[in-house]
Amino acid sequence: NAGVTQTPKFRVLKTGQSMTLLCAQDMNHEYMYWYRQDPGMGLRLIHYSVGEGTTAKGEVPDGYNVSRLKKQNFLLGLESAAPSQTSVYFCASRSYESSYNEQFFGPGTRLTVL
Amino acid sequence: KNQVEQSPQSLIILEGKNCTLQCNYTVSPFSNLRWYKQDTGRGPVSLTIMTFSENTKSNGRYTATLDADTKQSSLHITASQLSDSASYICVVSLPYSSASKIIFGSGTRLSIRP
Repeated sequence: NAGVTQTPKFRVLKTGQSMTLLCAQDMNHEYMYWYRQDPGMGLRLIHYSVGEGTTAKGEVPDGYNVSRLKKQNFLLGLESAAPSQTSVYFCASRSYESSYNEQFFGPGTRLTVL
Repeated sequence: KNQVEQSPQSLIILEGKNCTLQCNYTVSPFSNLRWYKQDTGRGPVSLTIMTFSENTKSNGRYTATLDADTKQSSLHITASQLSDSASYICVVSLPYSSASKIIFGSGTRLSIRP
């Protein structure tokens, strides 16, 4: 099993450009998450999904959109990138049956917005 | 406000030495506390998990303790190795957590010197 994978690993954008980050998991997990990680701060939740076709806002959703058309995939979109969105983005998933909320993380996508 | 604070922010020790990382939380009510290890350029990986009724949990050379009365946890690393160089993140979950009720500390960056 590959676990949680993210595409791409690195990306540089110019202000105003758009892009989509792809997260895929092969563990049949119901819950999927997108976080951003900035220096000196804990992981902050952007959006999450509790199942196919459902999404919800997290702590810092502004400037991002998501879609969960298939259970195994969770897409994060930036419609008009801003320098403030320079960050490392992590996707995670977990099973609904996990009583201890263990999340499994992908390797991250490092995004730079110039 | 639910918060998780970790100290120190960074730590450098010599290979073979022991160290202890601290985590203080104000999350209430509380379900469980987890320590993650995050290698540079990778996603976090779970090390230990403790519920409110547990006060210690070990995983090899890693031992986590929890004092639910003082809302403090520590992660002790014994006989450190170069591979222990990483960030260590304390994460607290609320009971019956919806997907968004998981709070991350900002991490302690540990460097092991030969």
